[in-house]
Amino acid sequence: GQQLNQSPQSMFIQEGEDVSMNCTSSSIFNTWLWYKQDPGEGPVLLIALYKAGELTSNGRLTAQFGITRKDSFLNISASIPSDVGIYFCAGQLGSGGGADGLTFGKGTHLIIQP
Amino acid sequence: GAVVSQHPSWVICKSGTSVKIECRSLDFQATTMFWYRQFPKQSLMLMATSNEGSKATYEQGVEKDKFLINHASLTLSTLTVTSAHPEDSSFYICSAPTGHQETQYFGPGTRLLVL
Repeated sequence: GQQLNQSPQSMFIQEGEDVSMNCTSSSIFNTWLWYKQDPGEGPVLLIALYKAGELTSNGRLTAQFGITRKDSFLNISASIPSDVGIYFCAGQLGSGGGADGLTFGKGTHLIIQP
Repeated sequence: GAVVSQHPSWVICKSGTSVKIECRSLDFQATTMFWYRQFPKQSLMLMATSNEGSKATYEQGVEKDKFLINHASLTLSTLTVTSAHPEDSSFYICSAPTGHQETQYFGPGTRLLVL
C-alpha cells in the first residue's frame, strides 16, 4: 500500500524559532493535507493543498504541494507554546470527490522548550 | 471548518462484548464517511469507508464481520466492534468530507479499552 515518509520524527525547539517538516511518497497523491493532533483528540485540519506547486498559507503556517506530487512541506514561523503537538501529513489519491480515505505520515512531534 | 462529532468519547467494556461508536456530521451531509484506528504513539490507519445506502468497503486486513459499519443516514455512521478483545483497544476516529474539494474533517475520537 501507499506509504508516506514524514520527517523529522520529533523536534525540540525554542519558542520563537521557525519549524520545517516534510513528507515524501513513492507514489503520486493528488491532494495533500496537514493536520495537528493534540493528545486524546482528533486531528484538526491546518492546510489543504489541491494542485501541484501550490503554496498556501494559514497565519504562521505555510505549506507547499510538490511539483512531482510526491512530496509536501509545512513551515511554522515564530513558534509559540500552543504549537506543541503532533503534526501529520496526509495524502489522498483523488483530487476532491471525497471517495478516498487518507494515507497518513507517522507524524512529527513538536516540543517547544521555554 | 465543518463539525464532526463522535459518541461516546470513551468506553470501557469487558472482553467478548460489543461496542457501538457513532459518528455524526453536525452541519453538513456526507454520503461517505471514513473510519480510522490509531494505536498509542502511532499514526492513523484507514479501516473502512462507510457509504450511505450501500455496503462499507474495508481496507486489507480489516475484518468486516468484526467491525460492522452502518451508514444509517446522510449525517450518521456507526461502527460496531463485535466480540471485542483487549487487542481491539485503540483510539477510533471518523472523518467526513465536505465542501467543494471534499476536504476531510475529523471527529474528536473514541477511546476504547477492552478489559
